[in-house]
Amino acid sequence: QVQLQESGPGLVKPSETLSLTCSVSGGSISSYFWIWIRQPAGKGLEWIGRIYTSGSTNYNPSLKSRVTMSVDTSKNQFSLKLSSVTAADTAVYYCARESGVSASTYPQYYFDYWGQGTLVTVSS
Amino acid sequence: DIQMTQSPSSLSASVGDRVTITCRASQSISSYLNWYQQKPGKAPKLLLYAASSLQSGVPSRFSGSGSGTDFTLTISSLQPEDFAIYYCQQSYSTPRTFGQGTKLEIK
Repeated sequence: QVQLQESGPGLVKPSETLSLTCSVSGGSISSYFWIWIRQPAGKGLEWIGRIYTSGSTNYNPSLKSRVTMSVDTSKNQFSLKLSSVTAADTAVYYCARESGVSASTYPQYYFDYWGQGTLVTVSS
Repeated sequence: DIQMTQSPSSLSASVGDRVTITCRASQSISSYLNWYQQKPGKAPKLLLYAASSLQSGVPSRFSGSGSGTDFTLTISSLQPEDFAIYYCQQSYSTPRTFGQGTKLEIK
């Protein structure tokens, strides 16, 4: 059974960089997209971006200037860095796996495994 | 970005009821639509993918339909454990986007 676990500081100061790592166990990190999603308290889900095991990335344009994702296949981990944070970045951050199944024109992708989430608060 | 709009935003129902939640995309997304269930303090859980394919382990009372811009999630007979927030999500393009959620409450 694949399991994901987020780790990192729960408190980050304004203007600093938020850094989180997601550790994957129970399966290989290879040949999947790995995702970061966040959810402010009482609000909906926001896709931050994804990284493939080759290192190829796609970021949400709303955050692109501040986001960096990386992957370490030797450790079965991937990471998120979000720079110049403000209080608006306070949220529960989830890591997830994006799997795909073949379809007629383009694979059907979905988020099938999720971490439990970690609350990151931006405050001085 | 593709905007996803769910209706209703909240819904009160009783155990045993049949309920339907609607999701509309701002442009055609074919069948690239997934549904998730989220309970308080927990990560979302995948229910259906590709609009109508049931994820392994999900009860058959959950079903999905639709294509293009309009989709539905139906729960045929509500169980106590189904009271949660439901999200749709498009996988047609990046950035991936979610609906705002539908909160299903006990009447």
